[in-house]
Amino acid sequence: GQQLNQSPQSMFIQEGEDVSMNCTSSSIFNTWLWYKQDPGEGPVLLIALYKAGELTSNGRLTAQFGITRKDSFLNISASIPSDVGIYFCAGQLLRGNSGGSNYKLTFGKGTLLTVNP
Amino acid sequence: DGGITQSPKYLFRKEGQNVTLSCEQNLNHDAMYWYRQDPGQGLRLIYYSQIVNDFQKGDIAEGYSVSREKKESFPLTVTSAQKNPTAFYLCASGQGYQPQHFGDGTRLSIL
Repeated sequence: GQQLNQSPQSMFIQEGEDVSMNCTSSSIFNTWLWYKQDPGEGPVLLIALYKAGELTSNGRLTAQFGITRKDSFLNISASIPSDVGIYFCAGQLLRGNSGGSNYKLTFGKGTLLTVNP
Repeated sequence: DGGITQSPKYLFRKEGQNVTLSCEQNLNHDAMYWYRQDPGQGLRLIYYSQIVNDFQKGDIAEGYSVSREKKESFPLTVTSAQKNPTAFYLCASGQGYQPQHFGDGTRLSIL
């Protein structure tokens, strides 16, 4: 199946620093999503990207849908301690089948972010 | 509040035992999904259902079973055939191309 390469695997930064992480794929996606997961909880959606080249911001977070539709990046500016967690990218490719449209997601392995106060 | 409720939060399984994880949503979403998460791994799809009374295998369905008798419920049974069941299990729901929403997970351990 499709695979996403997410990097880096982990990051240790000082409070106030900017952070950048990215995902690349061997095949194209229609949608790129970025989720954050806190320990022992489910992932929470941060940003959704629906169009190649799209650049979207959500507060201190900025994400872009690569022009080739095979990659996406997430930037966090001026990090704070509560940014700690695991960040996942996910790609979605709309597929039609006998049961209707298929919206399955393919996930990266995550980036573990640690912020030192 | 609208959302996805998973229960229990923690579950223990004895050898040879089947256990069932509950997932309920009140978002009126047509599609529901079960994922397995292991340390340092992304989420891997176990089963998904796009409509009531229909479901399909995901990438790692062996040793698991599901049912979708009601729109709001999608229970997952971890059978004794699943030899390595210790993991964090996440349920999600979605509507069309909109992003999936996740529950808070069930952590399953072996006694």
